[in-house]
Amino acid sequence: DTEVTQTPKHLVMGMTNKKSLKCEQHMGHRAMYWYKQKAKKPPELMFVYSYEKLSINESVPSRFSPECPNSSLLNLHLHALQPEDSALYLCASSQDQPAPTDTQYFGPGTRLTVL
Amino acid sequence: GENVEQHPSTLSVQEGDSAVIKCTYSDSASNYFPWYKQELGKRPQLIIDIRSNVGEKKDQRIAVTLNKTAKHFSLHITETQPEDSAVYFCAADNMLTFGGGTRLMVKP
Repeated sequence: DTEVTQTPKHLVMGMTNKKSLKCEQHMGHRAMYWYKQKAKKPPELMFVYSYEKLSINESVPSRFSPECPNSSLLNLHLHALQPEDSALYLCASSQDQPAPTDTQYFGPGTRLTVL
Repeated sequence: GENVEQHPSTLSVQEGDSAVIKCTYSDSASNYFPWYKQELGKRPQLIIDIRSNVGEKKDQRIAVTLNKTAKHFSLHITETQPEDSAVYFCAADNMLTFGGGTRLMVKP
């Protein structure tokens, strides 16, 4: 299995809702990432997990809460989001702890709309 | 931190022509330079990458060149086809500081 999968594909939520995004990979990768991508912009790194521990948080607001229950799964819990948080949320993984030359493989993304 | 600039932001070519996209980076310690292709509504997909111990890499119609002294690298697509139409992102290193993207349009 050489894929990163993400669910759901689309999510519409209100500003008072709590929801979660899920990402899964079965490539044995030990580094996993969350990115946010706005329309016509490059992906922006949000969080990095290395060996199931949070290693990088790019000053992301606390209404986004990542979780890595095991080496194959990565979640992003959402609470009290704002309309400007509407974007494509991409998960990625790479083989080892983030190393400068490790290729990242992206999931298909979750298109999030906050009303 | 790393800063990556990408040019041009849009590129329109006739089918069969070549396309060249250029990126510059700021951190001389960067060692890994991938290129991703993203079609509308789809995930970024790695199309080619280059590591700092080589100056050029080719894969069929796609090639990447790297000039570490000048801190720039380029993507070359030859014999372009309509299915090459997409947004292309360059990036530096594993933390993937992305360039701003180039929208390539190949006209049949």
